[in-house]
Amino acid sequence: EVQLVESGGGLVQPGRSLRLSCAASGFTFDDYAMHWVRQAPGKGLEWVSGISWNSGSIGYADSVKGRFTISRDNAKNSLYLQMNSLRAEDTALYYCAKDMSDSASGYFDLWGRGTLVTVSS
Amino acid sequence: EIVMTQSPATLSVSPGERATLSCRASQSVSSNLAWYQQKPGQAPRLLIYGASTRATGIPARFSGSGSGTEFTLTISSLQSEDFAVYYCQQYNNWPPHTFGGGTKVEIK
Repeated sequence: EVQLVESGGGLVQPGRSLRLSCAASGFTFDDYAMHWVRQAPGKGLEWVSGISWNSGSIGYADSVKGRFTISRDNAKNSLYLQMNSLRAEDTALYYCAKDMSDSASGYFDLWGRGTLVTVSS
Repeated sequence: EIVMTQSPATLSVSPGERATLSCRASQSVSSNLAWYQQKPGQAPRLLIYGASTRATGIPARFSGSGSGTEFTLTISSLQSEDFAVYYCQQYNNWPPHTFGGGTKVEIK
């Protein structure tokens, strides 16, 4: 089955760190770029970060630049998001999404169910 | 950064009626525009890419049009399962990828 499964979310205090993971299956992971997209409670979609198939091209939203780091392990069919210096405004459901291209410049044709990150003291 | 603006924020439509959703880009995105549907408690689902191409398995009642800065998603005859929030996304220039604020299609 073609799917993406996120994990690693939870309750964390402001200023602390968290690492999200996304396990891909059912498709050739290293043929495609991948992204993280988040959705704050009751709000719209916000793109967070994207990475090309070979990690050669990486981008971040201004709101997370310098605090979040995206990475992938093609041998493990996995995508990661290291989130440091977390803030209350980072509270959201974080989705992993597959790009239709290998360069991270396409649309998102497969989404996971998301993992919830809550930043609160 | 390209800003995507969707209108209206909420659209009240009766089942069987036509719904027309708009999306405007702050600068040209050519035809690099996608539409997604999101139902409560679910992940977004790709409906349309390339401004007008339906994704696999999407019913023909969904159609997209436009290019440059003005785009439209039309649902020709609303079914009960179509009541949801719809987002447009530009992928012409990244980073960042940008989404519109969404249009909620609700039952009238």
